[in-house]
Parts: sequence; C-alpha cells; structure tokens
Amino acid sequence: GAGVSQSPSNKVTEKGKDVELRCDPISGHTALYWYRQSLGQGLEFLIYFQGNSAPDKSGLPSDRFSAERTGGSVSTLTIQRTQQEDSAVYLCASSLVSGGRVETQYFGPGTRLLVL
Amino acid sequence: KQEVTQIPAALSVPEGENLVLNCSFTDSAIYNLQWFRQDPGKGLTSLLLIQSSQREQTSGRLNASLDKSSGRSTLYIAASQPGDSATYLCAAKTGANNLFFGTGTRLTVIP
Repeated sequence: GAGVSQSPSNKVTEKGKDVELRCDPISGHTALYWYRQSLGQGLEFLIYFQGNSAPDKSGLPSDRFSAERTGGSVSTLTIQRTQQEDSAVYLCASSLVSGGRVETQYFGPGTRLLVL
Repeated sequence: KQEVTQIPAALSVPEGENLVLNCSFTDSAIYNLQWFRQDPGKGLTSLLLIQSSQREQTSGRLNASLDKSSGRSTLYIAASQPGDSATYLCAAKTGANNLFFGTGTRLTVIP
C-alpha cells in the first residue's frame, strides 16, 4: 500500500527565501510528525499533529518555522526567511493512535533542503 | 530532557556473524522504544517497537530487548548479511508526542 510521501524530494533555496515542504501521510493515520535531521546529528522532533487537537509545537526551533495540517491529512511545513543552518533533511512520519496508544511511526523519504 | 545514546557509532562485521547494537536512555519513563534502519539517502524504516510493558520483540533475524529500569535497549541481529548494512537508530517515546532519537550505529556487513 501507499506509504508516507513527501515533496519535493530536494529543495535548493537562497538565504532569506521562504520554503514550503509537503507531507502526505498514510491514509487513516491520525497522528503526523515532522522531524529534522541535520548533517552529523540525530533526528530532532519539530511538531506533532493528532486529529483535531491543538498541535504540539514544542520542537520548533524558532518562529520562522510553522506547520499546518489541513483536513486532518496533508501537512505543510513552512520555513520563512531561511538561514543556512536550516539546511537539513526534513522527515515526516505518521502513525495510528489506537486505544490512546500511539503505534509504530512510518516515515517518508524526506525532503533534503539546502540553503545557499 | 530525554537523551538517547547509541554505542558503537560504527561497526564492521563479517557476513554471518551475530551482533548486538546498544541503546541507552536517561529517562526511564518511556511509552515505547522503537528501532529503525536508515539506508543512505533514504527515510527511516521501522524494524521493531517495544511497548513500555514489554521486555522484547522479535522479527525474523532481529530481536530487540528493553530494560526500562536500567535505561537500555539492545538490537540483536543474527546471521548478519550484507543487506543488513545501514544505519540503525533507536528512538524513545516519552511524554505525549516526542520521539527522542539516538545518533545511530552505522553497520557494515562485509561479504
């Protein structure tokens, strides 16, 4: 079946520009996560959406980062006024939530962002 | 804040050898612990998830154990194959939402 998809797969932008990254979760998955993987570092949690609840934005590194999830499905991560330190792989994951328990997270292939 | 450490950072073994990857975490109040593999330039593939109430999970040649009290998990790979070469990440789920990831062990299985 279809997994988590992300677009674009690669994005090169100039410092100061805004970028939008898209995530299509697995159909029926109510939980959606964004992570960032910087070169030589581990994955860093950014934001979490669960159903109609208010998102957990505790991992967003600055107010230049924001995310939306429309209709409980597709999500976009927006980075405004990009900086070189924003260069990383941005990964999206989705999971089921059953009986209040979050199940396995399934990851997309990521978007490789390079800010020049 | 939960900190997750993986040792070793890199490991090379000859094909057929059994091996153990280690993961430790500082906050034992976890919901679950998950092992992933990441191939170069690719996303993460979930291998095993151990709920906090469980001690181990098995899938094929893989066995993951969890000892919450000591803050440790291990991933055992039996009869390693060159196709097992990848980076292996463990991640601890704490609180409501976050997964805290280790920095990974890069495994190379030599034919």
